[in-house]
Amino acid sequence: QQQVKQSPQSLIVQKGGISIINCAYENTAFDYFPWYQQFPGKGPALLIAIRPDVSEKKEGRFTISFNKSAKQFSLHIMDSQPGDSATYFCAASKRNNDMRFGAGTRLTVKP
Amino acid sequence: GAGVSQTPSNKVTEKGKYVELRCDPISGHTALYWYRQSLGQGPEFLIYFQGTGAADDSGLPNDRFFAVRPEGSVSTLKIQRTERGDSAVYLCASSLWAGADTQYFGPGTRLTVL
Repeated sequence: QQQVKQSPQSLIVQKGGISIINCAYENTAFDYFPWYQQFPGKGPALLIAIRPDVSEKKEGRFTISFNKSAKQFSLHIMDSQPGDSATYFCAASKRNNDMRFGAGTRLTVKP
Repeated sequence: GAGVSQTPSNKVTEKGKYVELRCDPISGHTALYWYRQSLGQGPEFLIYFQGTGAADDSGLPNDRFFAVRPEGSVSTLKIQRTERGDSAVYLCASSLWAGADTQYFGPGTRLTVL
């Protein structure tokens, strides 16, 4: 029932570089697209989210780009830091209830 | 303030046994969600409550799984006749109301079925 496909599975970036994670969804009824960050042994924490009426949202070093016609969205982490090393999940839902998650991307930022 | 708490943090049981997993949401949050996360995968939606009622239980895999929230606060996920395939981390999240932008996740209960 994978309705959200995420890539890459893992990503290694040098400190100060840009990390890019991509997601694609199938259900055009989805209207809320969050990204979650998860550290080992912890639950996911909301990082940033977007709704389909805008094509981009930026919060600090984190930017979501959204392409409604292609049913794709991506997370860009600018000036990546070692503290950003975590697993990132994209998700999609209708009215932020039955949220469908991607399989996750394990990001490693090397000092 | 206190976040979402889940107990126990770890549960080891034998195949065929019954288990209960507890979730204490953030005080005042009316919506509560259960997810299951298998190793190396994203969370998988199971069920969510708005108040005391289950608003959507379409993610429960079969009738061995059941969840309650009798007073609109604490919730219990109940698994009967556990199977090895039920081994996973069970996550609980809460939000101010169903559909609110932010779901706050607890640390999860790691269930291992031997």
